[in-house]
Amino acid sequence: EPEVTQTPSHQVTQMGQEVILRCVPISNHLYFYWYRQILGQKVEFLVSFYNNEISEKSEIFDDQFSVERPDGSNFTLKIRSTKLEDSAMYFCASSDFDEQFFGPGTRLTVL
Amino acid sequence: DAKTTQPNSMESNEEEPVHLPCNHSTISGTDYIHWYRQLPSQGPEYVIHGLTSNVNNRMASLAIAEDRKSSTLILHRATLRDAAVYYCILRDGAGANSKLTFGKGITLSVRP
Repeated sequence: EPEVTQTPSHQVTQMGQEVILRCVPISNHLYFYWYRQILGQKVEFLVSFYNNEISEKSEIFDDQFSVERPDGSNFTLKIRSTKLEDSAMYFCASSDFDEQFFGPGTRLTVL
Repeated sequence: DAKTTQPNSMESNEEEPVHLPCNHSTISGTDYIHWYRQLPSQGPEYVIHGLTSNVNNRMASLAIAEDRKSSTLILHRATLRDAAVYYCILRDGAGANSKLTFGKGITLSVRP
């Protein structure tokens, strides 16, 4: 069964460093998303992406965040200058229409 | 976004049916009712969705009230693997690309 994959599973970084989280969506999907979940809190929407552009973004998704689909398979989330409060699980999801398929997540720890 | 209200938690016994309620009194005509679940240390997983009519799939059934202001997710025979947080989410059906807005969900515990 096709699945969304994410790498790395765990990323540790120093405050102020740039990180890139990578996702490989399901191959025939057209809609892509990033969500995050701070430990013990709700899953929060960050951004949606379709046709090589951002469709919608939340207040969390400020200028420090960017997304890119550099080729036909990868979908990346970049955080330019990480903050302590960026520590969270980051989930990528893809969709063809109704159902969103989520990846296993990348745990980001900012020290 | 229209909001949903769910109990914080529920317990069930293995191999018994489970009914997980959700209230959504401010639902609009274009809102679909989606259910996702999140097993421990995993990403959310789609369970089922519907608009007006009751729906069945291999995982669960969704019963939607006639006025659409509430719904119930039914797991016909709970297993230990069904222990998870279940989220009832209203999603605007007008946009295929629309986001999911997660609440706190209901934590289901399954006793052996």
